[in-house]
Amino acid sequence: DTEVTQTPKHLVMGMTNKKSLKCEQHMGHRAMYWYKQKAKKPPELMFVYSYEKLSINESVPSRFSPECPNSSLLNLHLHALQPEDSALYLCASSQARGSYEQYFGPGTRLTVT
Amino acid sequence: GQQLNQSPQSMFIQEGEDVSMNCTSSSIFNTWLWYKQDPGEGPVLLIALYKAGELTSNGRLTAQFGITRKDSFLNISASIPSDVGIYFCAGQLYKAAGNKLTFGGGTRVLVKP
Repeated sequence: DTEVTQTPKHLVMGMTNKKSLKCEQHMGHRAMYWYKQKAKKPPELMFVYSYEKLSINESVPSRFSPECPNSSLLNLHLHALQPEDSALYLCASSQARGSYEQYFGPGTRLTVT
Repeated sequence: GQQLNQSPQSMFIQEGEDVSMNCTSSSIFNTWLWYKQDPGEGPVLLIALYKAGELTSNGRLTAQFGITRKDSFLNISASIPSDVGIYFCAGQLYKAAGNKLTFGGGTRVLVKP
């Protein structure tokens, strides 16, 4: 099973709201990723967690706050977002040591109004 | 950020045709991955390549890891309507901090009217 699940599928939020995106995998992967994807563009890496520790932050604004509560779960907390943050947010996972395949979830379509 | 050179940017297919797309980079990678993405969905991994010169098939798909480790191509044989979508190549170079994928700009495959 190579499934990564994400909830919610769609999210509409105002600029003053606080919301969270959730991601889960049960493949035993110890690396998990958040990507942002704008229309007709490839995914852009935001954060990497390796063994539940944040290992890469691609200079993402602090209004995005990631959290990895355990080896299967990854959250992205959102606060005071801007309309330009509207995008498809993708979670992915992979084995942590070595160069391995990354498996993506279906994404959360976020609209900031 | 850095993006691989993927071509063509778009192509029209007729059922039964063979199609080909490729990616080139100025940097070497130790893994090449090919993904297909349908509208509103996450990228689905098609093929993973790990060794320079490696040729790998998955059904009607064939991909090769270039000898120089700086390029890869994907062929689709006997195309069918469900092959429509966006295909992304991605190069990966393992680092201790975590795996970062560098994506191509995508090849949009459309059906000939």
